[in-house]
Parts: sequence; C-alpha cells; structure tokens
Amino acid sequence: GAVVSQHPSWVICKSGTSVKIECRSLDFQATTMFWYRQFPKQSLMLMATSNEGSKATYEQGVEKDKFLINHASLTLSTLTVTSAHPEDSSFYICSARQGYTEAFFGQGTRLTVV
Amino acid sequence: AQTVTQSQPEMSVQEAETVTLSCTYDTSENNYYLFWYKQPPSRQMILVIRQEAYKQQNATENRFSVNFQKAAKSFSLKISDSQLGDTAMYFCAFEGSSGGGADGLTFGKGTHLIIQP
Repeated sequence: GAVVSQHPSWVICKSGTSVKIECRSLDFQATTMFWYRQFPKQSLMLMATSNEGSKATYEQGVEKDKFLINHASLTLSTLTVTSAHPEDSSFYICSARQGYTEAFFGQGTRLTVV
Repeated sequence: AQTVTQSQPEMSVQEAETVTLSCTYDTSENNYYLFWYKQPPSRQMILVIRQEAYKQQNATENRFSVNFQKAAKSFSLKISDSQLGDTAMYFCAFEGSSGGGADGLTFGKGTHLIIQP
C-alpha cells in the first residue's frame, strides 16, 4: 500500500507554546488529508478535512484557531496546535488519499503538553 | 450524522478459534463504505477489510470475512483460525459517499481482541 509518514512520532512541549505536526504522502499525491485525535483507550475522532490549496473543514466542536491546518502541497499537510495546554495532550493521526481511493494512515504523533 | 456502534469492549478467544466482532451503524445514505481497521500496540491503523454498500457479496480477505446486512445496518467481522498476531484493537468505520472523497471516517469505540495461546 501507499505510505503516509507523520513527523514527529512523539513530542513534548511546554504549556503555552505551539507545536507543528507534519503529514506527508511519500509515493502519491494526496488531494485530501484528514486529521484525527485519539484519547487513551478511546476511538479516533475526526478533527478536520483538508483539500490541497483550500481551507480546512473542521468538525463541530473543534477550535480552528487552536488547531491550524495547512495543506499547501499535494504531499504535505501540517497541523499546528497553538498555545498548547495539558488537555491538548493526545494522539494525533493523519490519513491521506488521492481522489476517492483508499485512505492511508500515518503512524501517529503522541503529543504531551507539560 | 452517522453513528457506529461496537457493543463488545473486549473479547478473548483461544488461538485457532473463530471469533466474530459485531458492529452496527446508522445512516440515511444509500451508498457508503464500511471498514474494519486493526490497531496493534504500535497504534498504526491497518485496514483489514472494506465493504461497499452497493455490493451484496460479503467481502473476504484470507482469514477475515464480513457479514454485511444492509437492511439491518449490521457489519460484523469474522476472524477464522485466529492467531496471536491478531491481538489488537479493532475499529469498525463508516464513510459516506456524498463528499466526493472528502468524507472522513466515523469510527466505533473499538473492540479489544485478545488471542490467548
């Protein structure tokens, strides 16, 4: 299958700082990328959907000013958690697809805010 | 909005046994896709099997098969000859077709499957 790479795999940041997570499609052009959040022992919740060159569409209840998503190219989307707080600590997973093909998942990023 | 329900938080079976994980969903759409994903301790999401709602034939992938009942909105996963490596969280997921590829997945809460040696 196609490869989606997320970086970093884990990150620790201080409360009040911002952290950026990258999601790259390595061997295909991702017209759509999705960002999910997973709390410990819970399911994945869709946060937002981004199409290359367009503004991201956020799910209800997700603060778009806190979770900035940029999908500037067909192989890269970034999620920036701004002014992070301990409650933002979670596992963030991206997935990417080309057109209406299968969506492939990155390996996830564990964010810890201290 | 779609909902996906997995009513079995945890299941445990002996190696080589057959196990069935249940999933029900609710939607007003007629065309959609259903998935089973495996999430091992590494937390990498792995696609196990995919079913297109307009196909009546149940999908199969080696030891994995589904029982898709569209009218009942049921989508169960059967794992035959279970192996130790099947131990993982299993998520049932729904994708609508109205978004032209821009619909994300709606996941169930997951079933923690444990295969005992």
